[in-house]
Amino acid sequence: EIVLTQSPGTLSLSPGERVSLSCRASQTLVNNYLGWFQQKPGQPPRLLIYGVSHRATGTPDRFSGSGSGTEFTLTISRLEPEDSAVYYCLQHTGSPRTFGPGTKLEI
Amino acid sequence: QVHLQESGPGLVRPSGTLSLTCAVSGDSIGPDHWWNWVRQSPEKGLEWIAGISHSGTTSYNPSLKSRVTISVDKAKNQFSLILTSVTAADTAVYYCARDSLFSTGSDSHFYFDSWGQGTLVTVSS
Repeated sequence: EIVLTQSPGTLSLSPGERVSLSCRASQTLVNNYLGWFQQKPGQPPRLLIYGVSHRATGTPDRFSGSGSGTEFTLTISRLEPEDSAVYYCLQHTGSPRTFGPGTKLEI
Repeated sequence: QVHLQESGPGLVRPSGTLSLTCAVSGDSIGPDHWWNWVRQSPEKGLEWIAGISHSGTTSYNPSLKSRVTISVDKAKNQFSLILTSVTAADTAVYYCARDSLFSTGSDSHFYFDSWGQGTLVTVSS
């Protein structure tokens, strides 16, 4: 099973700032089957990014994904208050699909 | 727009059987998607449990495979989860989720793109 670790665990930032969230895989994701999800309290996760860097429909362009191998990053270029949420990475290169533990972002 | 709705008991006794159903509306359970169960708990975070295609092909998380059955009823446009021999560790919010195929131009793969609101299942006597 591929284990994903995310850092930092929690961070608190101000509107307008830029942030990069890290996701590290225990094995190389050879096909880049990595996605990012946003989850707000009381809601299910929402797909933001798929295939490392491709924005899902409705994802604002201030969200971008990058990385390869075992190191991946979600960057939010200009934080807005509604970006307060927990962000999870998900890999689907290995079976079973696994999620990271999440990064809680407070704005 | 697809809508997924979980239903089932919110309380299950230890060693009992958890049974949930996901009703799908706004889309048909057809060949374009897979249909999944995912759970979330403070202890384990988000955990994929199982998935099923419209034709009944299944895929299970090895850590749960011995206790899990996923099934589909295309006539009712719904799919179901059975988890046996439950313990307190199975207490979680259970989500049903649709997989759709996403293309990056050079490759395509499935990602969860629609989710139910989730249902809390507590295992307790």
